[in-house]
Amino acid sequence: AQKVTQAQTEISVVEKEDVTLDCVYETRDTTYYLFWYKQPPSGELVFLIRRNSFDEQNEISGRYSWNFQKSTSSFNFTITASQVVDSAVYFCALTQLLGNQFYFGTGTSLTVIP
Amino acid sequence: DSGVTQTPKHLITATGQRVTLRCSPRSGDLSVYWYQQSLDQGLQFLIQYYNGEERAKGNILERFSAQQFPDLHSELNLSSLELGDSALYFCASSVGTGSSNSPLHFGNGTRLTVT
Repeated sequence: AQKVTQAQTEISVVEKEDVTLDCVYETRDTTYYLFWYKQPPSGELVFLIRRNSFDEQNEISGRYSWNFQKSTSSFNFTITASQVVDSAVYFCALTQLLGNQFYFGTGTSLTVIP
Repeated sequence: DSGVTQTPKHLITATGQRVTLRCSPRSGDLSVYWYQQSLDQGLQFLIQYYNGEERAKGNILERFSAQQFPDLHSELNLSSLELGDSALYFCASSVGTGSSNSPLHFGNGTRLTVT
């Protein structure tokens, strides 16, 4: 069975602080894909990153970075020097190589306080 | 802008009624997915179509149905509406059939309120 757990329901940080959003997944597949999506207060879901199970290199994009560790089945997302515009709900998701379904976590609501 | 268009943006209707939600996928995308997002349930996968054919079914109620038309737009029909159907309904599209290398691109959602 596929499952994604985002244990942090809500996080509040003060602007310019770093924050890490946790994502732990379960799958028996050897090939799978992990995603992060952002849902700002306006409601739309925005794709942030995709990572396949064979690529454990960490990725950095501006203030965003992602740490993928197969050994702990985690795909954590760090925002450096957070800004108010980072306030949103962030979803982690898992898919199988041949599957049609995205398995989403329950989301982490991040509030950045000015 | 994801390129996925959903209409209407808001819908308010009464219990027992039927509504139709519409989705136009991104240009070139053949797969359409429908998701329901309610406060206590998170993002729930409802159904997926690829090039007009149903490919996967999730937690979709029998009162709900969907289809994808030859021009690839999709409609989600919700009937005999109940208060608990109030939610944000998202459509998403992707290039391929499965999830492999294709991220989902979401529309802005339709906010359904059943009174």
